[in-house]
Amino acid sequence: SAVISQKPSRDICQRGTSLTIQCQVDSQVTMMFWYRQQPGQSLTLIATANQGSEATYESGFVIDKFPISRPNLTFSTLTVSNMSPEDSSIYLCSVGDGGGELFFGEGSRLTVL
Amino acid sequence: GENVEQHPSTLSVQEGDSAVIKCTYSDSASNYFPWYKQELGKGPQLIIDIRSNVGEKKDQRIAVTLNKTAKHFSLHITETQPEDSAVYFCAAAIDYKLSFGAGTTVTVRA
Repeated sequence: SAVISQKPSRDICQRGTSLTIQCQVDSQVTMMFWYRQQPGQSLTLIATANQGSEATYESGFVIDKFPISRPNLTFSTLTVSNMSPEDSSIYLCSVGDGGGELFFGEGSRLTVL
Repeated sequence: GENVEQHPSTLSVQEGDSAVIKCTYSDSASNYFPWYKQELGKGPQLIIDIRSNVGEKKDQRIAVTLNKTAKHFSLHITETQPEDSAVYFCAAAIDYKLSFGAGTTVTVRA
């Protein structure tokens, strides 16, 4: 399976600031997704990161709050903008390889004060 | 959208016993059903999956069954070991977009 690296692994941020999370994969993948896992909760899909075009957002998530880039088949970024304490979560990158399986990175643990 | 329900929310088993987690889904278009294990401080790890054209799949101590008619699927872990203690999530996918269950916290008592 692909090796997925996320940076930062954790961060503490101030209210009103923005943070960009990076997802790097060691091989080209067809599918990349971003998920959010709120404290003690399950995972929720934020958006599909499309290579070379705008991301596709799920209901309840908007581009102004969670801008996403995917310049190539191995890299994507998720920005959490104008953060509030409610944005404190684990943000996870997921990738799909040619076999159709979906794998996750270790996550980026964000605390907003 | 897809709705996945998972039961039980917590499960405590004696080492060596079996553990069973059950999930139901709502959208008949779902065609991929993975199970993930998440340990504290880590990302979800894919442990087994099943596709809609298969009824059962086994990998050593882990097995998954799928009943498309009833829209439910289950995870079976046999001969449980302390290292099986974790949170387990089921998921159902349409076009590889995953909808997750709420998770089951499994504790294996030594």
